[in-house]
Amino acid sequence: NAGVTQTPKFRVLKTGQSMTLLCAQDMNHEYMYWYRQDPGMGLRLIHYSVGEGTTAKGEVPDGYNVSRLKKQNFLLGLESAAPSQTSVYFCASSWADRGLFEQFFGPGTRLTVL
Amino acid sequence: QQQVKQSPQSLIVQKGGISIINCAYENTAFDYFPWYQQFPGKGPALLIAIRPDVSEKKEGRFTISFNKSAKQFSLHIMDSQPGDSATYFCAASVSGNTGKLIFGQGTTLQVKP
Repeated sequence: NAGVTQTPKFRVLKTGQSMTLLCAQDMNHEYMYWYRQDPGMGLRLIHYSVGEGTTAKGEVPDGYNVSRLKKQNFLLGLESAAPSQTSVYFCASSWADRGLFEQFFGPGTRLTVL
Repeated sequence: QQQVKQSPQSLIVQKGGISIINCAYENTAFDYFPWYQQFPGKGPALLIAIRPDVSEKKEGRFTISFNKSAKQFSLHIMDSQPGDSATYFCAASVSGNTGKLIFGQGTTLQVKP
């Protein structure tokens, strides 16, 4: 099992460009999440999904869109990148065990917006 | 009210010493408190977790202490080893049907040989 994989690992964008980050999981998890990690701020939830075809906003959703067309994939889009979106992005997936969710994280995507 | 505050931001401990990281929360609806460990260049991974119906949980050298009345919980790493050098995040959530976690700011631990 590959677990949670993220594509690409690194990316440099210019302000105003768009891109899509791909997250894939092979654990048949229902729940998937996108976080951003910035120094001194921990991980902040951008968007999440509780199942195929569903998405919902997290703490910091502005400037991002997501789609969950297939259960195993969760895409994060930046329509018009801004320098404030320079960050490390992590995808995670989980399943519910008696209402508790252990989240499994991917290796991250380091994005720089110039 | 959704915040989880973590301290210290960084910690240096000698090999064999005890590392202690503290977290505090406001939302009394939180009922699941995991700790995640992250090595450089990697994603976080679950280390240990606790529910508020117990005051302490131990797994090997790692112990969570939980104080419900004070709304605080802490991670103790006994006999700290250089291999424990990593960033540690506390988190909290309301058990239910979303699994959303609120993370603390993180603590970078360095264990000196």
